Amino acid sequence: DAKTTQPNSMESNEEEPVHLPCNHSTISGTDYIHWYRQLPSQGPEYVIHGLTSNVNNRMASLAIAEDRKSSTLILHRATLRDAAVYYCILRDGIQGAQKLVFGQGTRLTINP
Amino acid sequence: GAGVSQTPSNKVTEKGKYVELRCDPISGHTALYWYRQSLGQGPEFLIYFQGTGAADDSGLPNDRFFAVRPEGSVSTLKIQRTERGDSAVYLCASSERGLSEQFFGPGTRLTVL
Repeated sequence: DAKTTQPNSMESNEEEPVHLPCNHSTISGTDYIHWYRQLPSQGPEYVIHGLTSNVNNRMASLAIAEDRKSSTLILHRATLRDAAVYYCILRDGIQGAQKLVFGQGTRLTINP
Repeated sequence: GAGVSQTPSNKVTEKGKYVELRCDPISGHTALYWYRQSLGQGPEFLIYFQGTGAADDSGLPNDRFFAVRPEGSVSTLKIQRTERGDSAVYLCASSERGLSEQFFGPGTRLTVL
């Protein structure tokens, strides 16, 4: 699986938008971009994924650069419950590397 | 509906002992994964089952680690002759099929004294 690069940590304020960046300059054409997050003392949970087009769901939005070498997870209005480690992961949609390869992720702190 | 469950939630054992960790996946999920997570690190893949068979065991660190899923549902991760370095949180996940969203359990915290 191709490698991703994320900032170690970020901080934001409650009720403000948060933009979490991810660089994946060696992404291949069949790699999907997945985001998971891990709240304290819990297992990771799926957030969103996409291939080329921007994606929205009830949790977040995913903005994918035109060249696909970077993406941004957007939390539109952060709450204290969004404090977690966020992982950006590439998964090959064809070869089917079913395992998730986690990096260090970004630890997001939300200030009240 | 019920999510992925893991038992026990905590396990403390002594160096050299044998331990078994259990995972109950979401009903109907054919794919099951084991990961382990050391403090301050992201989860690290151990093994993946598709049905009853281990489709990818490339993450098992050595032959002291073994996992089974005899009926394609519940899985057990077995660790022989535990070492202090085995201390970690062991996470189980399941998915409907190999490439779909993975649902994680709360993990088993293993401490080897």
